[in-house]
Amino acid sequence: RKEVEQDPGPFNVPEGATVAFNCTYSNSASQSFFWYRQDCRKEPKLLMSVYSSGNEDGRFTAQLNRASQYISLLIRDSKLSDSATYLCVVLGLGGGSYIPKFGRGTSLIVHP
Amino acid sequence: EAQVTQNPRYLITVTGKKLTVTCSQNMNHEYMSWYRQDPGLGLRQIYYSMNVEVTDKGDVPEGYKVSRKEKRNFPLILESPSPNQTSLYFCASSSTNRAEQYFGPGTRLTVT
Repeated sequence: RKEVEQDPGPFNVPEGATVAFNCTYSNSASQSFFWYRQDCRKEPKLLMSVYSSGNEDGRFTAQLNRASQYISLLIRDSKLSDSATYLCVVLGLGGGSYIPKFGRGTSLIVHP
Repeated sequence: EAQVTQNPRYLITVTGKKLTVTCSQNMNHEYMSWYRQDPGLGLRQIYYSMNVEVTDKGDVPEGYKVSRKEKRNFPLILESPSPNQTSLYFCASSSTNRAEQYFGPGTRLTVT
């Protein structure tokens, strides 16, 4: 089982739709969780951190489910500009240090 | 402007010719790391550094070297590049090893 797994998609949705992605992780001792956005062959940029209590930033909501070891990202009222690849990042303790593990990303395409 | 810079952005070289990709950050971050991104494999960590003179291997360190003589700089060295090191490379920094990372714009390396 891979350490961090994401459905690669693509998720093809119309403007205005609500879409959700999940990301599962295998290390139960993982401590920090993030969602990044990456546009085609550009650098990843932080979208939001994921807290135990969940967090919301405008149209974006992130949740953490420790019992089932997954994080989720919900995008409401999708915009064309949301088209990108969404990477989940999980920080797990390894060898005495926190090692970030990236999922392979989920591709989102929002069409008119 | 807070940023991570990498140079060169694009590089085509031949097998065995030593090269260095520079990385510099102006945010006084302690933690820096190098990743490579390949289609279908996502981002994989090559090396990381917790602070000056402290470096450690990531998931795919073979064929790479790094140094951290100053806090702001973290060069990636390929002593004898091979075609399987053709990839998109990202440098990243963060205030701690548990915080969100800021990525450089990427270096596209082709080894023939």
